Amino acid sequence: KAGVTQTPRYLIKTRGQQVTLSCSPISGHRSVSWYQQTPGQGLQFLFEYFSETQRNKGNFPGRFSGRQFSNSRSEMNVSTLELGDSALYLCASSLNRDDEQYFGPGTRLTVT
Amino acid sequence: GQQVMQIPQYQHVQEGEDFTTYCNSSTTLSNIQWYKQRPGGHPVFLIQLVKSGEVKKQKRLTFQFGEAKKNSSLHITATQTTDVGTYFCAGLTSGTYKYIFGTGTRLKVLA
Repeated sequence: KAGVTQTPRYLIKTRGQQVTLSCSPISGHRSVSWYQQTPGQGLQFLFEYFSETQRNKGNFPGRFSGRQFSNSRSEMNVSTLELGDSALYLCASSLNRDDEQYFGPGTRLTVT
Repeated sequence: GQQVMQIPQYQHVQEGEDFTTYCNSSTTLSNIQWYKQRPGGHPVFLIQLVKSGEVKKQKRLTFQFGEAKKNSSLHITATQTTDVGTYFCAGLTSGTYKYIFGTGTRLKVLA
């Protein structure tokens, strides 16, 4: 079974730009969660999608948004990038929200 | 807000020594998961605990969930160099139903 894939793997953007990250979950998994990982703050929950609906949201500003498509693939968007948005963005898929999560390799975003 | 604290932050052990990391939540959890992240890698699921007082073992790893479902521990017996990495707990909060990750314990094993 193929694992969770994320594209792109690395990204360099300039302050003020916007970025879209993509995540393809494991086949059959309908729950997709996004996390931001930084050395200072650890792993922080961004949002969770299930069957195209956002079921839960973390404490991030409105510049962070996401969506899920009918094939369970998910995208997250960050607008008006700030230096502090530099992080590893991880996507995780699971069958249901209280099941084990399978993480993708992440997208390393650097904002200059 | 809801927090999951994990101690210690770092642990260096000699190969063959035991290692334990502890997780404490400010609120009751529906379940707790444990993950391992190797340097440069992504978190990999180890185990999930659901019941109060539950204990699970995986070879040299022993996981416990507290009676009040607010704390958990991971114990590794006789560490090996392959155990190197950061261990995270992730608690599913009962009310808001989101996973809160612990701060992680970075384990170094000296050969």
